[in-house]
Amino acid sequence: QKEVEQNSGPLSVPEGAIASLNCTYSDRGSQSFFWYRQYSGKSPELIMSIYSNGDKEDGRFTAQLNKASQYVSLLIRDSQPSDSATYLCAVEDYGGSQGNLIFGKGTKLSVKP
Amino acid sequence: EPEVTQTPSHQVTQMGQEVILRCVPISNHLYFYWYRQILGQKVEFLVSFYNNEISEKSEIFDDQFSVERPDGSNFTLKIRSTKLEDSAMYFCASKTGSDGYTFGSGTRLTVV
Repeated sequence: QKEVEQNSGPLSVPEGAIASLNCTYSDRGSQSFFWYRQYSGKSPELIMSIYSNGDKEDGRFTAQLNKASQYVSLLIRDSQPSDSATYLCAVEDYGGSQGNLIFGKGTKLSVKP
Repeated sequence: EPEVTQTPSHQVTQMGQEVILRCVPISNHLYFYWYRQILGQKVEFLVSFYNNEISEKSEIFDDQFSVERPDGSNFTLKIRSTKLEDSAMYFCASKTGSDGYTFGSGTRLTVV
């Protein structure tokens, strides 16, 4: 059974701080990784994808991937109250022919004004 | 920005009734999916669909579930005889070959 693990939180940070969200995965052969944001009662919204080891930056978000350690992280700089949501780590599983996402349980982030 | 649209947004049904959840994927996407999320739990894969046939299905996707692409735009999930434990948010998603998966806004299914 392929697993994606996240600390469920809640993670609380003050406005303007850096929020650090972590994720580990069990399948060493995984190649594609995604971070989604989910507001309460809403659908997952794609923030970033990452496929290669190292860092990938997009605005205030930086995704980090370390395949040797089977570890993915998301940094949110200058956190805003509007960033308060649950962040879902997802790993693409190619056990079937077209792939599908395996999600972690998500980390709830609260940004305090 | 292109969207995946889902209808209805909320459906209440009696146990044992059939429901059909509808989705319109993004027009140039080729791969379609249904996921569900029981309240407070993780998003779970149900089924993937490509070229008018099921590519893969999870253990959750048993004989009471079926999917169909009845025309060039709609993608449906049918639950034949609903159970209380089918109550969940159901998300449709689509993707091209290499991009991330785009999710629809979801259908909240409540079985009473």
